[in-house]
Amino acid sequence: DTGVSQDPRHKITKRGQNVTFRCDPISEHNRLYWYRQTLGQGPEFLTYFQNEAQLEKSRLLSDRFSAERPKGSFSTLEIQRTEQGDSAMYLCASSFIRGYEQYFGPGTRLTVT
Amino acid sequence: GEDVEQSLFLSVREGDSSVINCTYTDSSSTYLYWYKQEPGAGLQLLTYIFSNMDMKQDQRLTVLLNKKDKHLSLRIADTQTGDSAIYFCAERSNSGYALNFGKGTSLLVTP
Repeated sequence: DTGVSQDPRHKITKRGQNVTFRCDPISEHNRLYWYRQTLGQGPEFLTYFQNEAQLEKSRLLSDRFSAERPKGSFSTLEIQRTEQGDSAMYLCASSFIRGYEQYFGPGTRLTVT
Repeated sequence: GEDVEQSLFLSVREGDSSVINCTYTDSSSTYLYWYKQEPGAGLQLLTYIFSNMDMKQDQRLTVLLNKKDKHLSLRIADTQTGDSAIYFCAERSNSGYALNFGKGTSLLVTP
């Protein structure tokens, strides 16, 4: 399978704990995006990388959120001191630099209790 | 941000055509997309259209774009039960790379 992969697929955590998600993009895709989707809503953009550089961050990305893509391949999204409002599906997508299409992974569903 | 609006629900009978509509407000939208999401899954890119096009056809899918009215539609011919899913319209301007999604239209196909 050469699609976008995400790990874990599900995460249950207690409020106040830190969580980290991983995304592996389609190989050779230079751009990597993170989105968040809450129940009954469309995905909302969080941030994107071009290679290892984080080029855009949405206002949704509070100080408790940090994303990295250290070697320009996989990326991690960390949420510190989780809150119940962080419960959502976190989606990763990737594309070529000159590509119009963004391909999404299966998502990581986070539940904060 | 700019709004992307979709009707929330559509029900059709198997074999009929489905038409899912979307309106957007950002006049700088350059790329418009349709994604499909099945329960518990990520988003599958169905098709996209550039703002300088009026129509795009891909097998059972036809996308129509009315740029003047900022209206996009997705027609699915010969709808099958496997087409039951949530369909998202999304737009992207030429100045950014983030996709701006609507809330999705839940399509139910009945036998």
